Amino acid sequence: EAQVTQNPRYLITVTGKKLTVTCSQNMNHEYMSWYRQDPGLGLRQIYYSMNVEVTDKGDVPEGYKVSRKEKRNFPLILESPSPNQTSLYFCASSITGQGDEQYFGPGTRLTVT
Amino acid sequence: GEDVEQSLFLSVREGDSSVINCTYTDSSSTYLYWYKQEPGAGLQLLTYIFSNMDMKQDQRLTVLLNKKDKHLSLRIADTQTGDSAIYFCAETSTSGTYKYIFGTGTRLKVLA
Repeated sequence: EAQVTQNPRYLITVTGKKLTVTCSQNMNHEYMSWYRQDPGLGLRQIYYSMNVEVTDKGDVPEGYKVSRKEKRNFPLILESPSPNQTSLYFCASSITGQGDEQYFGPGTRLTVT
Repeated sequence: GEDVEQSLFLSVREGDSSVINCTYTDSSSTYLYWYKQEPGAGLQLLTYIFSNMDMKQDQRLTVLLNKKDKHLSLRIADTQTGDSAIYFCAETSTSGTYKYIFGTGTRLKVLA
């Protein structure tokens, strides 16, 4: 089954404790992206990747890191999480990133206390 | 920078048509998308249109684009209770960047 998987689905952590949210797709897509969803703000893009070793900033990259060492994986790293990073995070992938469908993962609900 | 705006709420009666509106600011050629998010789920693409088109129809869905006013609308005919969800407008520019800009989302409530 074609899908985007994220882990964990739920995470409660404390300020400053490094964490990684994994994202994997099995569709051989070149484009992958991370978003955060906050009430009243919609979806905001954090980082995206056009291919292996090619990443770029979205609108809200501060406090986040990404890497794309393999085509299928695109982990999101929070080196020192803060409470303002409490949010619902979505990973997505698409064939090219323009004029095609993004497939979204189920979301990761992160709480930073 | 680019911005996409939507109204936050819309309520319609079952069987009526729903019209969800969106305005965008990117002046370059662009793809414009409508995504649907059901409770507790990720987003699913409903349809998209390229900025050189005026209209696109797909079964109950009609997308209208007014390029002059940078206004995009999604019309859902014969709205059903299963259409209750959040609808997001989004855009990507074709001018060298692969950034996605999403709107705030419109929560559609369909009353039986």
